Amino acid sequence: GENVEQHPSTLSVQEGDSAVIKCTYSDSASNYFPWYKQELGKGPQLIIDIRSNVGEKKDQRIAVTLNKTAKHFSLHITETQPEDSAVYFCAASIQGNAGKSTFGDGTTLTVKP
Amino acid sequence: DTAVSQTPKYLVTQMGNDKSIKCEQNLGHDTMYWYKQDSKKFLKIMFSYNNKELIINETVPNRFSPKSPDKAHLNLHINSLELGDSAVYFCASGLDTKNTEAFFGQGTRLTVV
Repeated sequence: GENVEQHPSTLSVQEGDSAVIKCTYSDSASNYFPWYKQELGKGPQLIIDIRSNVGEKKDQRIAVTLNKTAKHFSLHITETQPEDSAVYFCAASIQGNAGKSTFGDGTTLTVKP
Repeated sequence: DTAVSQTPKYLVTQMGNDKSIKCEQNLGHDTMYWYKQDSKKFLKIMFSYNNKELIINETVPNRFSPKSPDKAHLNLHINSLELGDSAVYFCASGLDTKNTEAFFGQGTRLTVV
C-alpha cells in the first residue's frame, strides 16, 4: 500500500519568513496530493491540492510543487503570519480508488511574531 | 450550516462501556469516512462508506462497527472500550470515491478511563 513520509515534524519560523514542508510517497499510481491545515481543536481543512498532471500550483501565499519522477511534493508558505501556526498534513491518493487517502504524520508549524 | 457535524464533541467513559459517535453531512456527498487521530496527531483512515456501502475497512478491531442509515449519516459504535481507544475521531465526507478531497468534522475527543 501507499506510504507517505513527511518532514520536518516540527518547524519554527519568524513571522515574514518562508516555510517549506516536504513529503515523499511510494505508490507511483498516486495522482492526487492534497494539503490540509489543522488548527487547534478543529478538524483538518484542505488548503491546496495538486494533481499529477501539474508540476506546480499557487494560491496567494501558498504553493505546492510536485516531482512525479522523484515521488515527492512540497508545500511552500511565503510571508508567514502567526495565524499560519497549525499542524499541516500532506496526503496521497489515487483518484477513483475507493476514496482512500494516506496521510503523512503531520508538521507542527509555529510562526513567531 | 455546519457541513460535517459530529456529536458529541467530548466523550469520557469507563473501560468496558459501549459508546456511539454520530456524524451527519449536509453537503450532498456520496462518500463518508471515519479517521482516528492519536496523541501524536497521526491521522489514519478507519472506514469509508459510499452510498451506505462499506468500501474501506482498515484492519480496525471488530469492536468498532460503523453504520450508515443513509448517505448523509455515518455513525460509529464502539463496544467494550479500551484505554487504547482514547483518541480524537474525525468524520469526513467526500463528493464521491473518484474525488478524494475530504471535508472534516470538528472531531470527537474520546477519553477512556
